[in-house]
Amino acid sequence: NAGVTQTPKFRILKIGQSMTLQCAQDMNHNYMYWYRQDPGMGLKLIYYSVGAGITDKGEVPNGYNVSRSTTEDFPLRLELAAPSQTSVYFCASRKTGGFDYGYTFGSGTRLTVV
Amino acid sequence: GQQLNQSPQSMFIQEGEDVSMNCTSSSIFNTWLWYKQDPGEGPVLLIALYKAGELTSNGRLTAQFGITRKDSFLNISASIPSDVGIYFCAGPYNNNDMRFGAGTRLTVKP
Repeated sequence: NAGVTQTPKFRILKIGQSMTLQCAQDMNHNYMYWYRQDPGMGLKLIYYSVGAGITDKGEVPNGYNVSRSTTEDFPLRLELAAPSQTSVYFCASRKTGGFDYGYTFGSGTRLTVV
Repeated sequence: GQQLNQSPQSMFIQEGEDVSMNCTSSSIFNTWLWYKQDPGEGPVLLIALYKAGELTSNGRLTAQFGITRKDSFLNISASIPSDVGIYFCAGPYNNNDMRFGAGTRLTVKP
């Protein structure tokens, strides 16, 4: 099993550019999440999805958009990149039900906006 | 909202030493989870705790779910260089997602 796959691993964007961070999981998990990790700040939830066609905002959604057209894929879109969006982005997924097994995380996308 | 406070923020220890870190919450949790993040990777689940007072081990790691349900502890015995990384506590915020602490960064000197 590949688990959760994120692409790209690294990206440098200029202010105002757009990009999509890709996330795919092959575990048939209904729940998927996007977090950002800033130094010393832990993980902050951007958006999440409880199933195909359903998405909802997390703690820090401004400047981002998501879609969930299939169970497997959960892309994160940055429309007008800003320096404040420089961060490491993690996608995660989990089974339906309780939190017994926690989340499975991807290996992250390191984004720099200059 | 719920806050998870981890301490210490960072630790520098000698190989072979034991390590203790903890996590406290402003609210009660029904589940506590401990993750480890290796440099350049995503967090990986180490231990999950489901009941107040529960003590669970995973190799050299032992975690406890505090009696008040507002705290949890993680201990690492006989540390080795590959224990280096960031350790996060986490707990369910609602039915849909979790909250994470800011992490304890562990450095192990050979």
